Amino acid sequence: RKEVEQDPGPFNVPEGATVAFNCTYSNSASQSFFWYRQDCRKEPKLLMSVYSSGNEDGRFTAQLNRASQYISLLIRDSKLSDSATYLCGGGDDKIIFGKGTRLHILP
Amino acid sequence: DTGVSQNPRHKITKRGQNVTFRCDPISEHNRLYWYRQTLGQGPEFLTYFQNEAQLEKSRLLSDRFSAERPKGSFSTLEIQRTEQGDSAMYLCASSLDTPYEQYFGPGTRLTVT
Repeated sequence: RKEVEQDPGPFNVPEGATVAFNCTYSNSASQSFFWYRQDCRKEPKLLMSVYSSGNEDGRFTAQLNRASQYISLLIRDSKLSDSATYLCGGGDDKIIFGKGTRLHILP
Repeated sequence: DTGVSQNPRHKITKRGQNVTFRCDPISEHNRLYWYRQTLGQGPEFLTYFQNEAQLEKSRLLSDRFSAERPKGSFSTLEIQRTEQGDSAMYLCASSLDTPYEQYFGPGTRLTVT
């Protein structure tokens, strides 16, 4: 089993819809988890950190389920500008990333 | 601009040549990380420093790769005798000790011909 796994997508979602991604991890010792957004040929940008059960920032909600070893990201009222690749990662020193999930918001 | 900076942004080199990349972290961050990313993959960890000490190196970091952070500020990543498989985006990130949020620089895109 890979350390961090994500559905690569693409997810094609109409504007205004709610979309959810899941990410599973194998290292149960990790305390810190992250969601990054990456636009084409750009660097990853930190979207949210998750240290306990969850975190919310505006339209974005991240949740951590330690028992099942997954992290989720929920985007509400999606915008065209949300189109990007979303990277999930975990780790307390280095971050182990998944391959990313591509999201296309359709007008 | 107080973010992470990397130079050069692009590097094209011939197989067998040596290349060196530089990363300047966010000024108050004492941790500095190097990652490599290829198309369709997430960033893969290479190595990281806490101040000037190199604390961990990935198995991906072959003997041809060396990284330094001599004064605990900027860092360099050198690749000797480049191979076509080294073509990738090399990303640098920095963070505080805690919390661990890492902030990435724009990357150096290496093409080995």
